[in-house]
Amino acid sequence: QLQLQESGPGLVKPSETLSLTCTVSDGSFSSSSYYWGWIRQPPGKGLEWIGSIYYSGRAYYNLSLKSRVTISVDTSKNQFSLKLSSVTAVDTAVYYCARIAARGNSEFFQQWGQGTLVSVSS
Amino acid sequence: DIQMTQSPSSLSASVGDRVTITCRASQSITNSLNWYQQRPGKAPKLLIYGASSLQSGVPSRFSGSGSGTDFTLTISSLQPEDFATYYCQQSYTMPEFTFGPGTKVDIK
Repeated sequence: QLQLQESGPGLVKPSETLSLTCTVSDGSFSSSSYYWGWIRQPPGKGLEWIGSIYYSGRAYYNLSLKSRVTISVDTSKNQFSLKLSSVTAVDTAVYYCARIAARGNSEFFQQWGQGTLVSVSS
Repeated sequence: DIQMTQSPSSLSASVGDRVTITCRASQSITNSLNWYQQRPGKAPKLLIYGASSLQSGVPSRFSGSGSGTDFTLTISSLQPEDFATYYCQQSYTMPEFTFGPGTKVDIK
């Protein structure tokens, strides 16, 4: 059964770069039927899509974060990663990775990791 | 940008109640609308995709309807495990996505 597991530091200093990795447990990582995304949720608030990436490495980003975000894939390790630069306290959130699937003309976050809390504080 | 709104932002209901949550898009998104349930401290879970298709394993008391700009999530008979926050999400602009602000369902 597919599992997605986020990993990375739980505390990042202001102005530094937040780095997280998502490890995908099954062979669906290389399947053309899926692609992969990052979503975050500040404490007590709603969900915000950060960006998505295909196995090929082509990535798409939320325009509001685009200048600070990089998402990449490591096909040899079944992993994809998130880097968010110049973080401030407003970037404190639970960060989720997810598998994106498509049916018809709808695409959706079909499976989610458990999430990891990243706090930005000195 | 497509903006998503949900109403109500919160509601109180009893076990067995029929509950309806509305999601509205700022422009037509055809049927590119998905619904998620998030229990406290847990990751969101996909309930409905393509506006009305039930994700495998999701109880049949959940249903979705709508197209264009107006969509509805209905829980036909609320169960104790359904007390959660529900989010809609548009994928019309895929691979860029937008979530609604959420609707919290709690116990009356």
